[in-house]
Amino acid sequence: DAGVIQSPRHEVTEMGQEVTLRCKPISGHNSLFWYRQTMMRGLELLIYFNNNVPIDDSGMPEDRFSAKMPNASFSTLKIQPSEPRDSAVYFCASSIGQGNQPQHFGDGTRLSIL
Amino acid sequence: DAKTTQPPSMDCAEGRAANLPCNHSTISGNEYVYWYRQIHSQGPQYIIHGLKNNETNEMASLIITEDRKSSTLILPHATLRDTAVYYCIVRALNNAGNMLTFGGGTRLMVKP
Repeated sequence: DAGVIQSPRHEVTEMGQEVTLRCKPISGHNSLFWYRQTMMRGLELLIYFNNNVPIDDSGMPEDRFSAKMPNASFSTLKIQPSEPRDSAVYFCASSIGQGNQPQHFGDGTRLSIL
Repeated sequence: DAKTTQPPSMDCAEGRAANLPCNHSTISGNEYVYWYRQIHSQGPQYIIHGLKNNETNEMASLIITEDRKSSTLILPHATLRDTAVYYCIVRALNNAGNMLTFGGGTRLMVKP
């Protein structure tokens, strides 16, 4: 079975540029999560969706960050304009959003903003 | 969700059992204990979870104390590939959206 698929795996860009990260959740999963991981702050939840609807975006750092889920099989996390402090590994996870079902993570996008 | 406390690091000899403790003394009745691990440069990997009873799967065993205030993840025969950061997370069943809050975890080093 295919797991959570994220693209690109690595992204290097200059500050001020727009960055778009992509995620394809596991088929049949109806909850999707975006996390960010840095050495200083560890793994932080940015936003999550249930049935394609954003439920909690309180972890989104600021207005430069936005996330969409146009359908059940695709989500994007966009940063515009990007800044060096946005450099991190961004993970997407999905789960069956009921009961005690675990989340399953992709392998992440390593983002470097120069 | 209840907070968890884990030792920052542990060593284990290859082939021996690795026992990773987790304290969750403020856990409430509807909260599950989840374990994930993160191998370098990969996303977190789900290992196991439980509520009250001990659980076992192909990866590990989870032992939860009777008062549920602590638990132990057991890797019965650790290999070098089990070197990773292990996260213990407590989450309520009615936690909307199955949100997980990751702490610092335990960095397990399996040595030859």
